[in-house]
Amino acid sequence: EDKVVQSPLSLVVHEGDTVTLNCSYEVTNFRSLLWYKQEKKAPTFLFMLTSSGIEKKSGRLSSILDKKELFSILNITATQTGDSAVYLCAVEYGGSQGNLIFGKGTKLSVKP
Amino acid sequence: NAGVTQTPKFQVLKTGQSMTLQCAQDMNHNSMYWYRQDPGMGLRLIYYSASEGTTDKGEVPNGYNVSRLNKREFSLRLESAAPSQTSVYFCASSEAAGHYYEQYFGPGTRLTVT
Repeated sequence: EDKVVQSPLSLVVHEGDTVTLNCSYEVTNFRSLLWYKQEKKAPTFLFMLTSSGIEKKSGRLSSILDKKELFSILNITATQTGDSAVYLCAVEYGGSQGNLIFGKGTKLSVKP
Repeated sequence: NAGVTQTPKFQVLKTGQSMTLQCAQDMNHNSMYWYRQDPGMGLRLIYYSASEGTTDKGEVPNGYNVSRLNKREFSLRLESAAPSQTSVYFCASSEAAGHYYEQYFGPGTRLTVT
């Protein structure tokens, strides 16, 4: 069965801390892994990863994929209260148009 | 440029009632999607339309029907609502099928079935 597992499910940190969110997967014909940020509304796209070992960065956020061990991490450095959100990992897999399966998300709370 | 719009924002139905959720996009995208999100869960794909005139089942299609009315609009219909369909429903669009990295999401419809 295809699945995406995120850990931890929830996390509480203080401003300035660094956090690491994990995403592991088991799918057939992996195509890409995507990270989204979801505040109190619709998800917004953060990163797409297709190759192992190549770090994607955007400001204080970065992510990397390990296709051998079937996982990805999302790092957030110097966290701010505005980083509080649910972070969703999704994996695209399968045929020409692909399918997308989401993990349950990690709820991050950043306290001042 | 409104992006992806959904109506209604909130809806309460009784078991057995029917309703249609509306979605429209103004980005000239070819592909559109309907997802549901339950508490503590990620999104699950209900149906998608790769292009105007085509629709396909996603992960959880049972109890739903869809219509791709034209390139802009993609509606989701619940023929006989059940409490298990209580969820938040998101519509999304992308330029081409499978371009999930460039999916734009609507604001969501919160549906409660009693």
